[in-house]
Amino acid sequence: AQTVTQSQPEMSVQEAETVTLSCTYDTSESNYYLFWYKQPPSRQMILVIRQEAYKQQNATENRFSVNFQKAAKSFSLKISDSQLGDTAMYFCAFMGRNDYKLSFGAGTTVTVRA
Amino acid sequence: SAVISQKPSRDICQRGTSLTIQCQVDSQVTMMFWYRQQPGQSLTLIATANQGSEATYESGFVIDKFPISRPNLTFSTLTVSNMSPEDSSIYLCSVETSGRADTQYFGPGTRLTVL
Repeated sequence: AQTVTQSQPEMSVQEAETVTLSCTYDTSESNYYLFWYKQPPSRQMILVIRQEAYKQQNATENRFSVNFQKAAKSFSLKISDSQLGDTAMYFCAFMGRNDYKLSFGAGTTVTVRA
Repeated sequence: SAVISQKPSRDICQRGTSLTIQCQVDSQVTMMFWYRQQPGQSLTLIATANQGSEATYESGFVIDKFPISRPNLTFSTLTVSNMSPEDSSIYLCSVETSGRADTQYFGPGTRLTVL
């Protein structure tokens, strides 16, 4: 299984501010996919953003964007203009090109303060 | 993305009993998966539910403990057998749709507590 590391157990951010979550991974594959999922207290896992490793352009979804550094095996998530509804656990995940199995990091709890 | 439902949403069970969790999707999907999330932990893949054949289990998970069925392209069940308190977890199914063959979407999860 691939190793996914999230080194920040908890992050706190003021409403309307920006927060960046870090993620690193270990793989010998050249083609793969990376994801950020959000899990609010309701426990529903929600896909936030997806990145294909062969695309150099960083993915963006509204207020969410990533900084994908393939050589460094780094995949950080930036949440801009943080909202109270962004409070959740955020998981970074890796999927190999051909096996469709997700490997998750330990998660980062994000709390947005009013 | 597909609409995924799970039943039950939560349950409290006695040690030694079994519980079957259902996962229903509103459209046909190519692949379905079952994950476990132990308290305060990340998600771990239990198995891939294969339509018409036996599930493919990950290391550390066995069919006798977690039997899985997938009778068609929209439905799967996971049974947690002979439960112990260590089985207390959230169990989630996910699907990979044929329209987006490289992304998984998750059901709402089943919170299981074993006394």
